[in-house]
Amino acid sequence: AQTVTQSQPEMSVQEAETVTLSCTYDTSESDYYLFWYKQPPSRQMILVIRQEAYKQQNATENRFSVNFQKAAKSFSLKISDSQLGDAAMYFCAYRSVANGNQFYFGTGTSLTVIP
Amino acid sequence: EAQVTQNPRYLITVTGKKLTVTCSQNMNHEYMSWYRQDPGLGLRQIYYSMNVEVTDKGDVPEGYKVSRKEKRNFPLILESPSPNQTSLYFCASSTQYRDRRHGYTFGSGTRLTVV
Repeated sequence: AQTVTQSQPEMSVQEAETVTLSCTYDTSESDYYLFWYKQPPSRQMILVIRQEAYKQQNATENRFSVNFQKAAKSFSLKISDSQLGDAAMYFCAYRSVANGNQFYFGTGTSLTVIP
Repeated sequence: EAQVTQNPRYLITVTGKKLTVTCSQNMNHEYMSWYRQDPGLGLRQIYYSMNVEVTDKGDVPEGYKVSRKEKRNFPLILESPSPNQTSLYFCASSTQYRDRRHGYTFGSGTRLTVV
């Protein structure tokens, strides 16, 4: 089974600064999808950004962008101009195409935004 | 509005008293899944279903049951809850074959406490 690793259990960032959350994954597949989900204190899981593995271009959604390094199996999330509302738990997720479309999640990174 | 409706949001119960957490989606998704979230462990899959009458075990199925008699509903059943099943539970759904890049839509979570 694929594994997803988030090596930073906790991170902090000053308001208006930039922070990068790391995620690596292990797979032998060539086609798959990658996601970052945000879980604020309300505990609702919110999709932040997604990346198709066959696309070389890094995905961007407003202040959120990814650095997708397929060969290195790395999928980091960059948050620019951090805001207080960005404080949350962030989960990296991998979706297999071959293995029944299964999802695999990392253990999460708790982000604190310091005013 | 496209959504996954999960009930109840909070539940406190006693050891051994059977309970059901309901999950319903209105997006005609084939794929549905249950997760439990525990601190430091991230999201762990309990059961999943790829379509009606098709269910399979995830990573932590012991002590849980599911059924998928209708496409929209995927209830989670705890026949004899124990304190180690105290957790935050999420139901999620997704397309299985088309638009897989959209990832999961999550329910709002159920905080279960077994005393």
